[in-house]
Amino acid sequence: QSALTQPASVSGSPGQSVTLSCTGTGSDIGSYNYVSWYQHHPGKAPRLIIYEVRNRPSGVSSRFSGSKSGNTASLTISGLQAEDEANYYCTSYTTRTLWVFGGGTKLTVL
Amino acid sequence: QVQLQQSGPGLVKPSQTLSLTCAVSGDSVSSNTVSWHWVRQSPSRGLEWLGRTYFGSKWDSDYAVSVKSRIVINADTSKNHFSLQLRSVTPEDTAVYYCARLLKKIWSFDIWGQGTMVSVSS
Repeated sequence: QSALTQPASVSGSPGQSVTLSCTGTGSDIGSYNYVSWYQHHPGKAPRLIIYEVRNRPSGVSSRFSGSKSGNTASLTISGLQAEDEANYYCTSYTTRTLWVFGGGTKLTVL
Repeated sequence: QVQLQQSGPGLVKPSQTLSLTCAVSGDSVSSNTVSWHWVRQSPSRGLEWLGRTYFGSKWDSDYAVSVKSRIVINADTSKNHFSLQLRSVTPEDTAVYYCARLLKKIWSFDIWGQGTMVSVSS
């Protein structure tokens, strides 16, 4: 069982917005702004798309945005495109084991 | 451009040691602005952080509780690479193993290796 809880799957149609959640505890997401999100296409290396809750690395589309409230972080993808279909993982720094990941959410673009 | 290139066997027998190496190009393993990590992915566990090594005033390593008694992560500065050794493996250790760089100024894994599928089977 992963330390951070993510829904197993989410779907949306092209052009729509979807929000992926990532729920932790007061020992990780609730205490630190070191939440990041990764896009993972099977067979490829994970790609960093959000760091420190809401910041986008250079080259990442502004359609990706992050936020946090209490022990839950969220990733919103607006203007959904076919290429966004992938697995998305959140991670957080934690006092317990340094770094914890979520179980991942499979995003399907209908 | 920083790149991580993984190498190592894709099949390990139960009770033996899993050994993987991650060669770093475009950066130095001795840099104090980064740390070097191993992460694995399996269908049952999703992504799981295994541990890290880094150079501050000296080399240090930290490990996940789940593997702490069996794991060693260290770096070889002469070859500019870092390695994972996981002892006494079982089929539960079957996974895709990734090496990754964590950039301290953004506290995130910004560079990843290509991944190595490791199966534990006799």
